Amino acid sequence: EDQVTQSPEALRLQEGESSSLNCSYTVSGLRGLFWYRQDPGKGPEFLFTLYSAGEEKEKERLKATLTKKESFLHITAPKPEDSATYLCAVQRPDSWGKLQFGAGTQVVVTP
Amino acid sequence: NAGVTQTPKFRILKIGQSMTLQCTQDMNHNYMYWYRQDPGMGLKLIYYSVGAGITDKGEVPNGYNVSRSTTEDFPLRLELAAPSQTSVYFCASRGDNYGYTFGSGTRLTVV
Repeated sequence: EDQVTQSPEALRLQEGESSSLNCSYTVSGLRGLFWYRQDPGKGPEFLFTLYSAGEEKEKERLKATLTKKESFLHITAPKPEDSATYLCAVQRPDSWGKLQFGAGTQVVVTP
Repeated sequence: NAGVTQTPKFRILKIGQSMTLQCTQDMNHNYMYWYRQDPGMGLKLIYYSVGAGITDKGEVPNGYNVSRSTTEDFPLRLELAAPSQTSVYFCASRGDNYGYTFGSGTRLTVV
């Protein structure tokens, strides 16, 4: 059975204090690994898709990396507006786009 | 630029009542999905559709039904509501980059 585990569950950072979120997965074949950001009371917002080990993608202060067993979301010099829950999800081949989500990491960045 | 629109945003149901959660998208996406999100848990797939007239069960379909008569609309029907269906429901559609676009969610309480 596919499993997606995110750690830590919660992370409190000072503004400017860089850190990393982890997403470990077990899946029979990987078509893609996805990162989303979710603000309170809103739907998840798409950030990145990673397809193969060694791939990296960046957007502003966020950088996602992928290995064969896990993905990291690095937050560099975070600002309070980066506070959100970050969700990781995996997709298998021939799955009609269905995603298996982790429980998320709640990030709070204080000034 | 509406994207995915869900209605209602909030609803309280009594045990045994029925309701339909509405979802419509204006991006001409073929793939659409319904997820539920419970505190501390990842999003769980209820039903999905790969095009008009084609639907299939996800991970947690019991107590729900869907239909897809048009590309734009993908309503979720709850029959005989139970307290276990208290949750936040998200509809999503999938674009060419395989990233989902989510609606803003429906918060449902069954009492």
